[in-house]
Amino acid sequence: SYVLTQPPSVSVAPGQTARITCGGNNIGSKSVHWYQQKPGQAPVLVVYDDSDRPSGIPERFSGSNSGNTATLTISRVEAGDEADYYCQVWDSTSDHPVFGGGTKLTVL
Amino acid sequence: QVQLVESGGGLVKPGGSLRLSCAASGFTFSDYYMSWIRQAPGKGLEWVSYISTRGSTIFYSDSVRGRFTISRDNAKNSLYLQMNSLRAEDTAVYFCARFRLLLAPFDPWGQGTLVTVSS
Repeated sequence: SYVLTQPPSVSVAPGQTARITCGGNNIGSKSVHWYQQKPGQAPVLVVYDDSDRPSGIPERFSGSNSGNTATLTISRVEAGDEADYYCQVWDSTSDHPVFGGGTKLTVL
Repeated sequence: QVQLVESGGGLVKPGGSLRLSCAASGFTFSDYYMSWIRQAPGKGLEWVSYISTRGSTIFYSDSVRGRFTISRDNAKNSLYLQMNSLRAEDTAVYFCARFRLLLAPFDPWGQGTLVTVSS
């Protein structure tokens, strides 16, 4: 089955740029979705189809995908961005969705 | 507005059964695939099952296949998950989420319902 690998944690100072990676075999050929989950809350979609943003999501959130790595970039990080972030793709061989293990973003 | 509300969680003994429900509102329920996704305490997201718009296509993760059954009632705008032969490792918050079709993202998600399997 398809495996997505995320770093367990990323730390960044307020105002700086956070980059959260999601690794997978030839992930560049897939559409990657990203979710933000704050403690005690349901996940919220922040980027879909590699780089598109749902309405209401700040432009500070962007995504890219190429080769074996997809990246969620959060510019001008704010304290309110502190959360767990998950990447997700669809495994074409099984038609099952697959989630990365999640990355905890800490705002210093 | 689009809303998904789960219910039916609780404490159950190993080997027991539980039925979760997800009530949908604010959109045409029958136009969307629906899925159950769970999160064990302190752990990441794990997909459980999904069902197509009319229920003709259903998939389960290996960890629940043969024990869980997903279903939907489009007339009642509701999604269900019948969970049998529950194990301690099924303890998790269970979220329902909609998606438009395969390859689409899950959006939105319900607030989740907690299932605890313990003696």
